[in-house]
Amino acid sequence: AQSVTQPDIHITVSEGASLELRCNYSYGATPYLFWYVQSPGQGLQLLLKYFSGDTLVQGIKGFEAEFKRSQSSFNLRKPSVHWSDAAEYFCAVYYGGSQGNLIFGKGTKLSVKP
Amino acid sequence: EAQVTQNPRYLITVTGKKLTVTCSQNMNHEYMSWYRQDPGLGLRQIYYSMNVEVTDKGDVPEGYKVSRKEKRNFPLILESPSPNQTSLYFCASRDRDRDGYTFGSGTRLTVV
Repeated sequence: AQSVTQPDIHITVSEGASLELRCNYSYGATPYLFWYVQSPGQGLQLLLKYFSGDTLVQGIKGFEAEFKRSQSSFNLRKPSVHWSDAAEYFCAVYYGGSQGNLIFGKGTKLSVKP
Repeated sequence: EAQVTQNPRYLITVTGKKLTVTCSQNMNHEYMSWYRQDPGLGLRQIYYSMNVEVTDKGDVPEGYKVSRKEKRNFPLILESPSPNQTSLYFCASRDRDRDGYTFGSGTRLTVV
């Protein structure tokens, strides 16, 4: 079955430090890839997406992600984390088809130390 | 403002009492979906709709119904709620495949 794996359940980084959140997806032809962020008590906000072209994509709030087909990965990065980045981050994959089902990873909770 | 609006935000109900969670989008999107979010399980699709009068089951449809009589609205119906349906529910809509979904703010449902 198609799946998305976020290996890290919880990550803590210091404010100002760099961040990388990992995401691996099961093999599928030309997936569409997304990262969402969920702040406490809020809905999910789209950070960035990839469907073709340049494998390094830029998103909102200073985030970027790199698609690596050979590793089936789509890791999210930020050079310098701010306290307001503390939230839960979800990687999602869409393989196409009429169901329109985004398959989500189980999420990575990010805590930021002052 | 482009958005997906869900109501209510919070709901506590008793087992067996029918309820409806409303969802409305103002972006003229064709695709709409309902997801539930549970700790440790992530988000799972309940039902989806490709257009008016076209709906189908997602991964966890048992105990739920939906309807799509108008393009903008996609209500989620629990005919006889049970405690295992206590969850955080999200409605979402999208236009093209590549756009990703726009999510509502969520409805936290507790069934006692």
